[in-house]
Formats: sequence, structure tokens, C-alpha cells
Amino acid sequence: GAVVSQHPSWVICKSGTSVKIECRSLDFQATTMFWYRQFPKQSLMLMATSNEGSKATYEQGVEKDKFLINHASLTLSTLTVTSAHPEDSSFYICSARLAGGSNTGELFFGEGSRLTVL
Amino acid sequence: AQTVTQSQPEMSVQEAETVTLSCTYDTSESDYYLFWYKQPPSRQMILVIRQEAYKQQNATENRFSVNFQKAAKSFSLKISDSQLGDAAMYFCAYRSGKTSYDKVIFGPGTSLSVIP
Repeated sequence: GAVVSQHPSWVICKSGTSVKIECRSLDFQATTMFWYRQFPKQSLMLMATSNEGSKATYEQGVEKDKFLINHASLTLSTLTVTSAHPEDSSFYICSARLAGGSNTGELFFGEGSRLTVL
Repeated sequence: AQTVTQSQPEMSVQEAETVTLSCTYDTSESDYYLFWYKQPPSRQMILVIRQEAYKQQNATENRFSVNFQKAAKSFSLKISDSQLGDAAMYFCAYRSGKTSYDKVIFGPGTSLSVIP
């Protein structure tokens, strides 16, 4: 199956700093990537939809200036948490959908990134 | 807006037995996809099974099968011959079939424990 790689898998940062998380589709092109946030023992909450070459679409309640998303190529999307605070500590998961081909709707997920803000 | 509901926060099953996880959803669309994803302790999301709404036949994948009731908007997952490795969070998910960039909406999840 298609492989999505996310990096870093674990990051600890000081409050007020910015952190960048990368999401790469390794063996396929993804015109659309999705960023989710997951709190412990809870479901995945969609933060934004990242489209290659255009601005990301953010879900209601998600601060676009705080969670910067860049989808500069068909294989890479990045999420930057700016001026991170302890309440931003969470598990962030990216996912990608195959570009073109059969529209089966299946998402391929990265391994996730655990962010801890001190 | 579409919603996905899983009414069982936790379930347990004896090894080798069968368990059914429930899922209901709400939508006004006729064309959509439904999924069950598994999230083990590693937290890597794994697709278990997929169902296209236009297909009447229930999807099956080895020990996993679904009972898709379109009129009732119900999509339950049956795991047969449960194994210890089946222990995980299971998420039911919905996606509109309109376009390729429509988002996937997840239910709250069911935590499945397998008792040896």
C-alpha cells in the first residue's frame, strides 16, 4: 500500500517557540493531505485540508495563523505550530489521498507526531 | 453536516470469539464511503475495511466483515475468531463521494480489549 511518512515522531519544545512537522507521501503523489489532531483516548479531529499549490482550508475553530500549513509539492505538506503553548501539546497525524486514479476515498496515514510543549 | 456515532466506548471479547462494534451515521447524501480504521497502541492508523454506499453487498476482509444497512444508516463491524492483536481503538469513518478532496469524518471510537 501507499506509504506516508511523518517527521518528527516526537518533539519537545519550549513555550513560545515554533515547531514544524513534515508529512511526505513516499511512493505516490498526493494532491490533498489532511491534518488531524488527537487528544488522549479521543478521536481524530480534522484541523485542515491541505491542497497542493493553494491555501489550506481550515476547520471551524482552528487558528490558521497558529497552525500554518504549506503544501508546496505533490509529496510534501508541512504543519508549523507557531508560538507553541502547553495547550498545543497533542498528537498530530497527517494523511494523504492518492491523486487521480480510482476515487475510493481511502486515506493513508503517517505515523503521527507527538508534540509536548513545556 | 455529516456525523458519525459509535455508542460503545469500550468493548471486550474472549480470544477466538466474535464481537460486533456498532456505528451509525447521519447524512443526506446518497453517494459516500464508509470505513473502519484500527489504531493500535502504536497509534498508526490502519484501514480495516471499506464499504461503498452504492454497493448492496457487505464488504468482507478475512475475519472482518460489515453489516451495512443504508436505510438505517448503520455500519457495524464484526470481528470473527478474535486475536490478541485485534486489541485496539476502532474508528468508524465517513466520507462523501462527491469529490476526491472531501474530508473523512471519524466517530469517537471504540476501545476493544481481547481477553486471553
